[in-house]
Order: sequence, then structure tokens, then C-alpha cells
Amino acid sequence: AQTVTQSQPEMSVQEAETVTLSCTYDTSESDYYLFWYKQPPSRQMILVIRQEAYKQQNATENRFSVNFQKAAKSFSLKISDSQLGDAAMYFCAQETSGSRLTFGEGTQLTVNP
Amino acid sequence: SAVISQKPSRDICQRGTSLTIQCQVDSQVTMMFWYRQQPGQSLTLIATANQGSEATYESGFVIDKFPISRPNLTFSTLTVSNMSPEDSSIYLCSVDSGRALNTQYFGPGTRLTVL
Repeated sequence: AQTVTQSQPEMSVQEAETVTLSCTYDTSESDYYLFWYKQPPSRQMILVIRQEAYKQQNATENRFSVNFQKAAKSFSLKISDSQLGDAAMYFCAQETSGSRLTFGEGTQLTVNP
Repeated sequence: SAVISQKPSRDICQRGTSLTIQCQVDSQVTMMFWYRQQPGQSLTLIATANQGSEATYESGFVIDKFPISRPNLTFSTLTVSNMSPEDSSIYLCSVDSGRALNTQYFGPGTRLTVL
């Protein structure tokens, strides 16, 4: 079975600083997709960033970037220049066969002004 | 990305009753998914709903408890049957769509409380 692990239940960062959220996963597949989703108190799941496993280049979306280490099965999210609106629960997810998503336990991010 | 709506946004129900949640997408999609998010927990996939075929349920979820319909390529329903307080959760639908394939976009969720 696929597993996704987020070892940091909570993280905090000062506004304008940088924070990294960790994620590891376990899969026997060679081609797959990894995602970070953000869930603010409104409970809407918002796609933050996407990484294709066959691409060695790390994905970047504005202030959000990933450090994808395929051999180590690690997929961390870096948020630069943190803003108050970044405060949310962040979920790491892996796409498994049949396009199903397996989610990690989540990391609650607090941004301090 | 697709625009996804869910109805109702929230509901409070009595145990033993059933609730049907609707999911509407603004474009035709092949695959739709239903997830459950119990209080303080992560998301767990309930089933995959494909148009024209029976839904595929994940381990621990059965059709009698969570019947799903998928009458066309833009709409699906999830029914939570014979509810108990343990069914109190957020239920989310998602679709595999958009310009980026293999990417799921989520509806706003339905917050269900069972008394």
C-alpha cells in the first residue's frame, strides 16, 4: 500500500521569512505524481504545486518550490517570503494507480506577523 | 481548472437518516472522486465514480453505506446512508481535469454533523 508521511504536525514562521514542510512517501512505482495541497479554515482544498516523478527539475510556482529527491522518496515544500494568507493546513499527496490520491496527515502552518 | 460546486455546504442530521450530497462540475470530466475528512484528520478516498459504470470503492467503504450515482459527465451524488455520529465529517468531491493531467481539483466540501 502507498503511504505518505508528514512528520511535522505543526510549523510556524515569521511573516516574510522562509519555511520548509517535509514529506516522505513510499511507492514501488517508477512513474507517479506528487502534490501539495493547502486547506485554509474554509476547508477548500487548493492545489499549491505539482511534481512529475520522471522530471528531475524541481517544480516552482511563484513563492512555492519543492525539493524532490526521488531516490530518498522525499518531497518537501519551501514557502518563501511567507504571507499571512499562507496560514493553513498543508497536505502532501501522491497519485497512485487509477488516479487515486493518498494523503499525508497534514502540517498546520502558522504565520506570525 | 474546473469549477466545482457541492450541495449542501453543510447539514445537521439525525442518526438513522440518509443524506445525498451533490457534486456539479462546469465541464465534462471522466473521473470524479469522493473523499471523507473526519474531524482533525486527513482525507481518505471513499470511491471513484466513472460515468456509465459502477463506482469503485476503497477498502473499508461499501456501496450499501455510500451509494454513488454518476448519471453524466458533469454530475455525481454521494449518499451517506443510515447515518451515525461516526459519519460526522467533511465530504469532498474532486475531478481529474484541467490542463494539467493527473491533477485533481476539489469542490468546497460538505460539512455533515450527525446527532
